Amino acid sequence: AQSVTQLDSQVPVFEEAPVELRCNYSSSVSVYLFWYVQYPNQGLQLLLKYLSGSTLVKGINGFEAEFNKSQTSFHLRKPSVHISDTAEYFCAVSDRGGTSYGKLTFGQGTILTVHP
Amino acid sequence: DSGVTQTPKHLITATGQRVTLRCSPRSGDLSVYWYQQSLDQGLQFLIQYYNGEERAKGNILERFSAQQFPDLHSELNLSSLELGDSALYFCASSVAHSYEQYFGPGTRLTVT
Repeated sequence: AQSVTQLDSQVPVFEEAPVELRCNYSSSVSVYLFWYVQYPNQGLQLLLKYLSGSTLVKGINGFEAEFNKSQTSFHLRKPSVHISDTAEYFCAVSDRGGTSYGKLTFGQGTILTVHP
Repeated sequence: DSGVTQTPKHLITATGQRVTLRCSPRSGDLSVYWYQQSLDQGLQFLIQYYNGEERAKGNILERFSAQQFPDLHSELNLSSLELGDSALYFCASSVAHSYEQYFGPGTRLTVT
């Protein structure tokens, strides 16, 4: 079984400040890791993914995340946020194999609010 | 635009009724996933189909069922609706058993 914990339910920041959204996961098997963003009244959009290789992955809109296997974490960062980054962010994991066939297990979400 | 379409966008119905939600995957995608997003349960995986066959089941109630048709579109049927079924229902698609899923805009179901 897998689980994902997003350590902050809400993160308020000022525009142009850096931000980190924290995600920890638990799994008995190797996983793929993802961050999705959900803008109000919209579906989920993939920000970035970790499949293998370099533990630092870059995504869209200037976001990046670092996979830390020993700490089972996959924190999302952006060096300078914009008002338009205000949204809810979801961390998710998927088994690399087994019978789950790619189903995603999501965290509870972090609402990022960027203030002017 | 992800290329995944869902209809209807909104659905309001009464308890005890039955509804059908429809999803058309991206062109070429064989896998379809259904997820439910509610305030108390968050985003939860319901069921997956691959090329017409059920491949994985999650926390899907017995009152709910789904299928994927030969043209690869999928339908999620919800019956004997209860107030607690009110939620956003998302469909996602991927190429095969792929790691990258593309989500539709969702169907917001309100049960009164």
